[in-house]
Amino acid sequence: SQTIHQWPATLVQPVGSPLSLECTVEGTSNPNLYWYRQAAGRGLQLLFYSVGIGQISSEVPQNLSASRPQDRQFILSSKKLLLSDSGFYLCAWTRTSYEQYFGPGTRLTVT
Amino acid sequence: RKEVEQDPGPFNVPEGATVAFNCTYSNSASQSFFWYRQDCRKEPKLLMSVYSSGNEDGRFTAQLNRASQYISLLIRDSKLSDSATYLCVVMGGSGYALNFGKGTSLLVTP
Repeated sequence: SQTIHQWPATLVQPVGSPLSLECTVEGTSNPNLYWYRQAAGRGLQLLFYSVGIGQISSEVPQNLSASRPQDRQFILSSKKLLLSDSGFYLCAWTRTSYEQYFGPGTRLTVT
Repeated sequence: RKEVEQDPGPFNVPEGATVAFNCTYSNSASQSFFWYRQDCRKEPKLLMSVYSSGNEDGRFTAQLNRASQYISLLIRDSKLSDSATYLCVVMGGSGYALNFGKGTSLLVTP
């Protein structure tokens, strides 16, 4: 069966510091991978998606970036965090259907 | 107009009640539709896909009305464990991006 991992689970970072969140999927190959953010009191917002290694599409212009160095690894990064980057970051995957399955998420607080 | 709109609730219902949630979407080219469930401070989990002919999974029934661009979820015989936020989700025409509603909060009380 497929599983999706995210780490860290929680993170507190000061404004201006860098960020790296990691997501890995097990039990499948060539998945589509997604990064979402859920800010307090708001819906899920798609940030990036990837259909293959090195292929990244950005949905929202901002100070975040994503990379996919391996087939089942998806990384979300920032060089300098803003207060507005606080939120619940979720990685998701899909394979042959449109149903997306989410990882446990990283709760980021920027102070 | 927002892509996916839901009544945020909260819906407070007693155990055993039947409750219905509605959702409207704006993109008539949308291809796929889902209901997800999200518990407090947890990731969304797929509850069910919504098919054109309607579909049922135990106590849960989903309906799609393409003409009205409207999706519904019916929960029968509510359990305490059904308390959660229910997210209406629509796949856009691109085939990649899911558009999420903000969710409807359900609280089932003893």
